[in-house]
Amino acid sequence: EAGVTQFPSHSVIEKGQTVTLRCDPISGHDNLYWYRRVMGKEIKFLLHFVKESKQDESGMPNNRFLAERTGGTYSTLKVQPAELEDSGVYFCASSYDLSGELFFGEGSRLTVL
Amino acid sequence: QKEVEQNSGPLSVPEGAIASLNCTYSDRGSQSFFWYRQYSGKSPELIMFIYSNGDKEDGRFTAQLNKASQYVSLLIRDSQPSDSATYLCAAETGANNLFFGTGTRLTVIP
Repeated sequence: EAGVTQFPSHSVIEKGQTVTLRCDPISGHDNLYWYRRVMGKEIKFLLHFVKESKQDESGMPNNRFLAERTGGTYSTLKVQPAELEDSGVYFCASSYDLSGELFFGEGSRLTVL
Repeated sequence: QKEVEQNSGPLSVPEGAIASLNCTYSDRGSQSFFWYRQYSGKSPELIMFIYSNGDKEDGRFTAQLNKASQYVSLLIRDSQPSDSATYLCAAETGANNLFFGTGTRLTVIP
């Protein structure tokens, strides 16, 4: 069974540009999460989807970040316009239930120059 | 104050020894605690979770939880070089998301 897959693995963009990260969760997992790790800091929660609905987006840093989950399958996280402080590794995770046992992807490393 | 605190290490132990990883949390409402292992450049992988006070054993791994002291630990017995990784402690909030510590880097020396 395929795990959580994320694309791209690494993106380098200039300040002011737009980047879209994609996450494909494990098939059958209704819960999808986005987390972010800024260098030297802990992994921080961004938001949680249940199917196509945003259950909790309290961790989204500002309105430059837009997450969607089309049809309750894959999810995208768009950053527009990107700022230097957005650099970090963006992790997607999915789970079958709400037990907290998350399956993580390998992350998308974003570098904003 | 951070929600979950870990000593960033690095922690070095000889092969075959016991590695002890520690974590404290600030939210007394947290009920579930998780240990993830992350190899460099790879995804965090869940290795243990614990809900109840006391010890929980799974193979060479033992998770310990003391809610009164707000303390979680992970013991790795008979440490192997393949255990060398960063270990992330996480606490679940009532909102069903996880607060992570910064991780402890463990090196097992052959």
